[in-house]
Amino acid sequence: AQSVTQLGSHVSVSEGALVLLRCNYSSSVPPYLFWYVQYPNQGLQLLLKYTTGATLVKGINGFEAEFKKSETSFHLTKPSAHMSDAAEYFCAVRTGANSKLTFGKGITLSVRP
Amino acid sequence: EAQVTQNPRYLITVTGKKLTVTCSQNMNHEYMSWYRQDPGLGLRQIYYSMNVEVTDKGDVPEGYKVSRKEKRNFPLILESPSPNQTSLYFCASSFQLDYSSPLHFGNGTRLTVT
Repeated sequence: AQSVTQLGSHVSVSEGALVLLRCNYSSSVPPYLFWYVQYPNQGLQLLLKYTTGATLVKGINGFEAEFKKSETSFHLTKPSAHMSDAAEYFCAVRTGANSKLTFGKGITLSVRP
Repeated sequence: EAQVTQNPRYLITVTGKKLTVTCSQNMNHEYMSWYRQDPGLGLRQIYYSMNVEVTDKGDVPEGYKVSRKEKRNFPLILESPSPNQTSLYFCASSFQLDYSSPLHFGNGTRLTVT
């Protein structure tokens, strides 16, 4: 069975500070990993995804994530937070053609001026 | 524009009054799914469909029905809504054959059952 753990429910950073949102997964086979962002009153949209190949994945809005198999992690980072980054972020995993996409519980990111 | 369209965006109803939330996508996606989002619980899958006339239960199917008569449409039906179905609902779609394909989400339907 596959699962995703996002520790904590809320992260607060100052504008310009590093953003680090943690995601750990559990999977018995090589996973496909995704980060989605949800802005207020909107649906989720894809930030980035890891399928195969390069373990450092770059996404939209300056975000990136690194797949670390040894640590079963796929943490999301951004060097410098912007006010517009305030949103809820979801990590998700899928392990094959007939497996569903399993989401973590999400983390709310707040950005202080 | 490629999109998933849900209607209505907001819905307030009373216990037991049947309702339908519509979902339509214009991307020719095979796979469609319904989720509910609740504080502290993240997104939980209600039902999904691999293609026309093929549907299956997700994690929390009780109290819901779906149908997939056409590829583009995947309505969610609550035949007798109850207050514990008050939630934010999302429809999503993707290409089924490419399992690295991301889900495309609608903007959500906020349902309140009193």
